[in-house]
Amino acid sequence: AQKVTQAQTEISVVEKEDVTLDCVYETRDTTYYLFWYKQPPSGELVFLIRRNSFDEQNEISGRYSWNFQKSTSSFNFTITASQVVDSAVYFCALSEINTGANSKLTFGKGITLSVRP
Amino acid sequence: DAGVTQSPTHLIKTRGQQVTLRCSPKSGHDTVSWYQQALGQGPQFIFQYYEEEERQRGNFPDRFSGHQFPNYSSELNVNALLLGDSALYLCASTGAGALGNTIYFGEGSWLTVV
Repeated sequence: AQKVTQAQTEISVVEKEDVTLDCVYETRDTTYYLFWYKQPPSGELVFLIRRNSFDEQNEISGRYSWNFQKSTSSFNFTITASQVVDSAVYFCALSEINTGANSKLTFGKGITLSVRP
Repeated sequence: DAGVTQSPTHLIKTRGQQVTLRCSPKSGHDTVSWYQQALGQGPQFIFQYYEEEERQRGNFPDRFSGHQFPNYSSELNVNALLLGDSALYLCASTGAGALGNTIYFGEGSWLTVV
């Protein structure tokens, strides 16, 4: 069975601080996808990144960066110079890789990030 | 390009009643999944529809049923509502092909059962 653990439940930082959100996963699959989503109060899950299991390169997108380490089953997310607009709940998720249409996502419980001015 | 749209956005139902939630997938997407998100929890997979058939199902009772129409839109039906069914119901869509495994979500339908 697949499992995603986000041990941090709430994080509070002051604007411009860097913050890292941790994600640890479990799966018996040798190939899989990892995702991060952002959920503002409106409820919509906003897609941030998808990473497949055979690509361990770290990725940077503006103030966001992701560190994927297959050896420790972790896929951590760092926000550099945080802003108030980054305040939201962040979810890490895992899915199998199927041919054709996508498989189901297994989510962690989410991390509530509060960025104070 | 419209994203995933869901209706209604909020609704209140009485225990024992039935509810139908609707979802239109993102343009070009043919697969729809439904998730239930209880307060303070991550979304839980209910089921997935492709080619008008249920392809996968999570650990939810038969009170939860769905349908997909030829235009790829979908409905989620919940019968005999329980207080514990109160949650945010999220619809997600994806398409086959190179980008098929990126999943886009709608804003959800907030269901309160009283």
